[in-house]
Amino acid sequence: EVQVVESGGGLVQPGGSLRLSCAASGFTFSTYWMTWVRQAPGKGLEWVASIKKDGSDKKYLDSVKGRFTISRDNAQNSLYLQMNSLRAEDTAVYYCARVGEPSIGDAFDIWGQGTMVTVSS
Amino acid sequence: DIQLTQSPSFLSASVGDRVTITCRASQGISSHLAWHQQKPGKAPKLLIYTASTLQSGVPSRFSGSGSGTEFTLTISSLQPEDFATYYCQHLNSYPITFGQGTRLEIK
Repeated sequence: EVQVVESGGGLVQPGGSLRLSCAASGFTFSTYWMTWVRQAPGKGLEWVASIKKDGSDKKYLDSVKGRFTISRDNAQNSLYLQMNSLRAEDTAVYYCARVGEPSIGDAFDIWGQGTMVTVSS
Repeated sequence: DIQLTQSPSFLSASVGDRVTITCRASQGISSHLAWHQQKPGKAPKLLIYTASTLQSGVPSRFSGSGSGTEFTLTISSLQPEDFATYYCQHLNSYPITFGQGTRLEIK
């Protein structure tokens, strides 16, 4: 079964750090871009970051640049999001998603169930 | 940044109804648009990509159209399982953005 499963969410104080992980299975991980999308409580979807197949190119939402780092380990079929200097407005469910092939317009075609990050004192 | 505006934001309809949701982009995005469905407490699910192509396994009552700046998602005959929130998303350039969502509820 093709799937991605996130982990690592939790409660963290403002200014703190957290590292999210996403384990992929059922597909050749190294041949796909991957991405993180978040959803604040009761709000819509917000793209956060994307990473190229080999990790050589990374894209970020402006509000997380310099604070968040997306990375991957193709040998472990894993995607990561290191989040530093966390703010209350980073509170959200964070989803890992696969970026589909160019034949489907790079649409996000496989989504995980999400992991909740709460930034609060 | 490209802004996507969905209308309506809220829609009340009955089983069997035909409904249409519109997504307008602040600048032209060709056909680089996807539609996702999200049910409460669940992950989004890809319905349509490249504006009009149905993702594998998605019922044929869903359809998408448009290009440039105006796009539509149509459900031809609403089923009970279709009551959810729908998001459009552009993939034209970074930053990727989503519409604010359209919540479809049972009348």
